[in-house]
Amino acid sequence: EAQVTQNPRYLITVTGKKLTVTCSQNMNHEYMSWYRQDPGLGLRQIYYSMNVEVTDKGDVPEGYKVSRKEKRNFPLILESPSPNQTSLYFCASSLWGGVGYTFGSGTRLTVV
Amino acid sequence: AQSVTQLDSHVSVSEGTPVLLRCNYSSSYSPSLFWYVQHPNKGLQLLLKYTSAATLVKGINGFEAEFKKSETSFHLTKPSAHMSDAAEYFCVVSDPRIGNEKLTFGTGTRLTIIP
Repeated sequence: EAQVTQNPRYLITVTGKKLTVTCSQNMNHEYMSWYRQDPGLGLRQIYYSMNVEVTDKGDVPEGYKVSRKEKRNFPLILESPSPNQTSLYFCASSLWGGVGYTFGSGTRLTVV
Repeated sequence: AQSVTQLDSHVSVSEGTPVLLRCNYSSSYSPSLFWYVQHPNKGLQLLLKYTSAATLVKGINGFEAEFKKSETSFHLTKPSAHMSDAAEYFCVVSDPRIGNEKLTFGTGTRLTIIP
């Protein structure tokens, strides 16, 4: 089944403790992206990647890192999480050209 | 720059009556436009997309949307609401600039279906 898989689905952590949210897609998509969803704000792009070793900042990149060492994986790294990073995170992937994006099921992160 | 405005944060309709979710966009480029649906505690699912072909776009589950360039609108409609349509809906514009297939999301419209 074609899908984007995120792990974990739920995570509660403490301020300052490094964490990684994994994202993997099995559709051989070039484009991958991370979004955060907050009430009343819709989804905002954190980082995106056009292909292996090519990443760039989205609208809200502060406090996040990403890497794209393999085409299928695009992990999101929070080196020192803070409470304002409490949010619902989505990974998405796409072929090129505005054909529509496949989203993962989301990761609900709480930083206390 | 691009932006999306969903004109209603919450819409309630009775089961069996028509649904209208309104979306206006702003874009400096010829946009691609999408509607996504998010059911409670679920990810986002693509309902339909407009990519400069036919202006009336049909999607899944009986939804359709019409691209009106003169009005910069992309409203989502369905002739007859079903209980399973209760969800949050996002209008999305895609920036086709080379190097960033960027999505800009609206703030969402929560659709409630009254039995």
